[in-house]
Amino acid sequence: QKEVEQNSGPLSVPEGAIASLNCTYSDRGSQSFFWYRQYSGKSPELIMFIYSNGDKEDGRFTAQLNKASQYVSLLIRDSQPSDSATYLCAGYGGATNKLIFGTGTLLAVQP
Amino acid sequence: EAQVTQNPRYLITVTGKKLTVTCSQNMNHEYMSWYRQDPGLGLRQIYYSMNVEVTDKGDVPEGYKVSRKEKRNFPLILESPSPNQTSLYFCASRIGQGTYEQYFGPGTRLTVT
Repeated sequence: QKEVEQNSGPLSVPEGAIASLNCTYSDRGSQSFFWYRQYSGKSPELIMFIYSNGDKEDGRFTAQLNKASQYVSLLIRDSQPSDSATYLCAGYGGATNKLIFGTGTLLAVQP
Repeated sequence: EAQVTQNPRYLITVTGKKLTVTCSQNMNHEYMSWYRQDPGLGLRQIYYSMNVEVTDKGDVPEGYKVSRKEKRNFPLILESPSPNQTSLYFCASRIGQGTYEQYFGPGTRLTVT
């Protein structure tokens, strides 16, 4: 079982819609979670991090963490074509005490 | 500007010819690491360093070496590259203990023929 799992997609949403990206993790000891955006051929860019249960909002982005369900999500409101990228979920802590990445979800925002 | 830099950005080489990919950060970060990214496998950690002269293996260290003689630099060395090391490589850094936000360099695309 992968430690951090994401649906590879592609997730296709129309411009202006809410994109919902999901991630599950297997290590209950994981403490911190991160969302990175990666454009094709470019490096991952940190866009959100969340440490506590609940929601954290930053502009059009909202990260949600549910430790009981071992579930992390990223909502992108008013999606734009420029949001089209691969979104990587990563978790830190737990047994490995390392930053473990999922394989990413490809988001395509259709104009 | 705070950044992580890598050189070269693109490299094509032949099997067995030693190469070094440099990584440097100007943020005074203690923790640095190297990843490789392959389709379907995601980002996998090769080596990491928690401070000067302290390095340790990540998940896929075979065929790689690193050194950390200065805080800002963390070169990745391939002593005898093989075709299965063809990949996209990223250097990353973060402040250190207690902080986990990690920042990546621009990447090095390596092809070994």
